[in-house]
Amino acid sequence: DTEVTQTPKHLVMGMTNKKSLKCEQHMGHRAMYWYKQKAKKPPELMFVYSYEKLSINESVPSRFSPECPNSSLLNLHLHALQPEDSALYLCASSPSRRLQETQYFGPGTRLLVL
Amino acid sequence: AQSVTQLGSHVSVSEGALVLLRCNYSSSVPPYLFWYVQYPNQGLQLLLKYTSAATLVKGINGFEAEFKKSETSFHLTKPSAHMSDAAEYFCAFCFGNQGGKLIFGQGTELSVKP
Repeated sequence: DTEVTQTPKHLVMGMTNKKSLKCEQHMGHRAMYWYKQKAKKPPELMFVYSYEKLSINESVPSRFSPECPNSSLLNLHLHALQPEDSALYLCASSPSRRLQETQYFGPGTRLLVL
Repeated sequence: AQSVTQLGSHVSVSEGALVLLRCNYSSSVPPYLFWYVQYPNQGLQLLLKYTSAATLVKGINGFEAEFKKSETSFHLTKPSAHMSDAAEYFCAFCFGNQGGKLIFGQGTELSVKP
């Protein structure tokens, strides 16, 4: 199994809603990532988890709350989002955080905030 | 500052023609360099990566790239374009103690004309 899965594929939410994005991998990878990608732009790193511990938080607003309950699962909890948070949210994983490691990306969740 | 620059936000080639996508980096320490491809409404897929083992790197789908330290470049080439190569291409790098932190270029959209 060499894939990263993300659910849901699409999500529409209001600014007062609470929702969660889910990411799963069964490759035994110990590093997992959340990226945000706006249309026609490159992905921007949000969070990095290494061995289930948060290693990097790129100054992301607190309305985004990551969680890594185990080595295979990564969640992103969303609360009180703004319309400008509408984007494609990509999850990735890699064997470790070593510089040369390949990051494997999921297909993303396309989020629309109304 | 460490950065990666992709020259040309859009490149158009005819089917069967050479593909050349340009990437230059700025880094005070040896970087690890990656090329990723993103098809519409999908996540990113690794094409190839440079990890200092060899300066000419061969990847999937007939793509290759050459690391030139003197020119601080890592251009992506393919001898003969196919219609299925139409996609967005991102150059990215990691460096120093920033393990897991991929820095992406702005991307180049490749169009292939029949």
